[in-house]
Amino acid sequence: DAGITQSPRHKVTETGTPVTLRCHQTENHRYMYWYRQDPGHGLRLIHYSYGVKDTDKGEVSDGYSVSRSKTEDFLLTLESATSSQTSVYFCAISESSGDTEAFFGQGTRLTVV
Amino acid sequence: GESVGLHLPTLSVQEGDNSIINCAYSNSASDYFIWYKQESGKGPQFIIDIRSNMDKRQGQRVTVLLNKTVKHLSLQIAATQPGDSAVYFCAENMEKSSGDKLTFGTGTRLAVRP
Repeated sequence: DAGITQSPRHKVTETGTPVTLRCHQTENHRYMYWYRQDPGHGLRLIHYSYGVKDTDKGEVSDGYSVSRSKTEDFLLTLESATSSQTSVYFCAISESSGDTEAFFGQGTRLTVV
Repeated sequence: GESVGLHLPTLSVQEGDNSIINCAYSNSASDYFIWYKQESGKGPQFIIDIRSNMDKRQGQRVTVLLNKTVKHLSLQIAATQPGDSAVYFCAENMEKSSGDKLTFGTGTRLAVRP
């Protein structure tokens, strides 16, 4: 999986609790992305990063924040988890803008009860 | 790995036959289009892409066709094999200096009958 590690792989949490998902890459790629995957919606972009400390919102960013303090790590935080955030989360990386081959991690299944 | 129990349209084909998976896209300004394959329990994997100034591109056993007039994209898989069983997503992208923002379709499940 092109040197991408997501952690944790599974998590169950209670509504209202904070949750942080981590994406770690060993490819030194500049661009990193967080997607969520839900039935009937395919993959939807939450946030992305185009460099250290450079991030921007995707189409479903409400309720999520991200941080990228170093090239290899991109963190996704749910400040106060809700049941609607139950989903499978995927991290992706790409080497450059216009580089069509984005590599995806294995995913994290998050359940908010 | 993770996957989602998606209630997807399913294409069932006999092993050895050709498969055609279709996708309608929304943004006529998209610069390129990509097909991804997602096997159970794994993240999406790049298959093939095509730029908006092309109408056909071939890879190994796969061909992508782009019809910009009707905003339609198709993936053809020749001599379908059991290992081709997966969910296939099309994605469209506009190139930006701030990174690729892929917009994915909802996916099609390909089931290969032995």
